[in-house]
Amino acid sequence: KQEVTQIPAALSVPEGENLVLNCSFTDSAIYNLQWFRQDPGKGLTSLLLIQSSQREQTSGRLNASLDKSSGRSTLYIAASQPGDSATYLCAVAYNTDKLIFGTGTRLQVFP
Amino acid sequence: SQTIHQWPATLVQPVGSPLSLECTVEGTSNPNLYWYRQAAGRGLQLLFYSVGIGQISSEVPQNLSASRPQDRQFILSSKKLLLSDSGFYLCAWSRTGKLGYTFGSGTRLTVV
Repeated sequence: KQEVTQIPAALSVPEGENLVLNCSFTDSAIYNLQWFRQDPGKGLTSLLLIQSSQREQTSGRLNASLDKSSGRSTLYIAASQPGDSATYLCAVAYNTDKLIFGTGTRLQVFP
Repeated sequence: SQTIHQWPATLVQPVGSPLSLECTVEGTSNPNLYWYRQAAGRGLQLLFYSVGIGQISSEVPQNLSASRPQDRQFILSSKKLLLSDSGFYLCAWSRTGKLGYTFGSGTRLTVV
């Protein structure tokens, strides 16, 4: 069964810290992996998309890595800010054209 | 550029009433379309997906159905809502999934 797990489930940090969010998946035959951000009561905003042939992607203060062989991805957030507070979701795409989501990490960055 | 629209944003419906949520995509043709539900305290669950007009695949047996009457229109329906149908419904589209997925802003459904 294809499953995606995210740890930690929740994280509360002071502003300025560097953060690592973890995502693991059971089936390594992925097409790609996508990180999303979800603000309370809102839809999903795509942050980074990593294709199966890539090792990492960067956008501003965000860096996502992918290790297919170990079934892991990490989202690194540098110099966190209160505006980064949200739920971060990892999702894995397989050849069935379906996206399998993790349960998310709820991040709070306080001033 | 491609955009995805969902409406309504919020909906409160009594048990036993019908449901129709609509999703449309602009700026692309023949997209793959998806309906997800996010129940309180739970992850995102794929309900239906469609790779073309009239082609619907159901992931979870339930009280809901989906239809794709036009290339860029995806509709989620129910004849009689249950309390357990409450949740946050999200529509998404992709180009075969290999180029990532784009989500709509969601519909918050409360069945009372």
